[in-house]
Amino acid sequence: RKEVEQDPGPFNVPEGATVAFNCTYSNSASQSFFWYRQDCRKEPKLLMSVYSSGNEDGRFTAQLNRASQYISLLIRDSKLSDSATYLCVVSPSGTYKYIFGTGTRLKVLA
Amino acid sequence: DARVTQTPRHKVTEMGQEVTMRCQPILGHNTVFWYRQTMMQGLELLAYFRNRAPLDDSGMPKDRFSAEMPDATLATLKIQPSEPRDSAVYFCASGPRGRVEVEQEKLFFGSGTQLSVL
Repeated sequence: RKEVEQDPGPFNVPEGATVAFNCTYSNSASQSFFWYRQDCRKEPKLLMSVYSSGNEDGRFTAQLNRASQYISLLIRDSKLSDSATYLCVVSPSGTYKYIFGTGTRLKVLA
Repeated sequence: DARVTQTPRHKVTEMGQEVTMRCQPILGHNTVFWYRQTMMQGLELLAYFRNRAPLDDSGMPKDRFSAEMPDATLATLKIQPSEPRDSAVYFCASGPRGRVEVEQEKLFFGSGTQLSVL
């Protein structure tokens, strides 16, 4: 079993739709959580960190559920420019490691 | 803007040849990571360093891969001999602090080296 698992998609949604991705992690000692975004043929870039209390950044909302060991990303009012691969990242406690999921592809359609 | 610089951007080589990829982390960053990305496996952590010391290279095939940081401004990843299954995009990333007690640390990625082994 992979340490971080994501549905690869693709999720095809119309502009303006709300879409949600989940990511599960296997190490219960994981301490830090992030969502990164990767455009085609580009490097990953931090989208947002995920805090225990949940956090929001504009149209993006991230949630953490430690009991069930998953994190989620909600995108409201999808834009064409949101089309990308969204990578879930987990850092286990006591390490400097950042473990990436394989990513979920999102296509926002006009 | 400060950025992580990787060279070369593209490398095509023949099986059995040595490949060296270089990374210049952002000045002042003290953690450096090497990742390999393929369609099937996604981003796999190969090795990482803190203050130039290797902390974990368990993700690397030891018989052919080696990673070093000769100084704070240069990290290298070598493959010798290269094989077709090594074809992938290799990313270097650096982080600003690398202290375990500091959560929510952002990684900065280079543009990657696209490696094709024929």
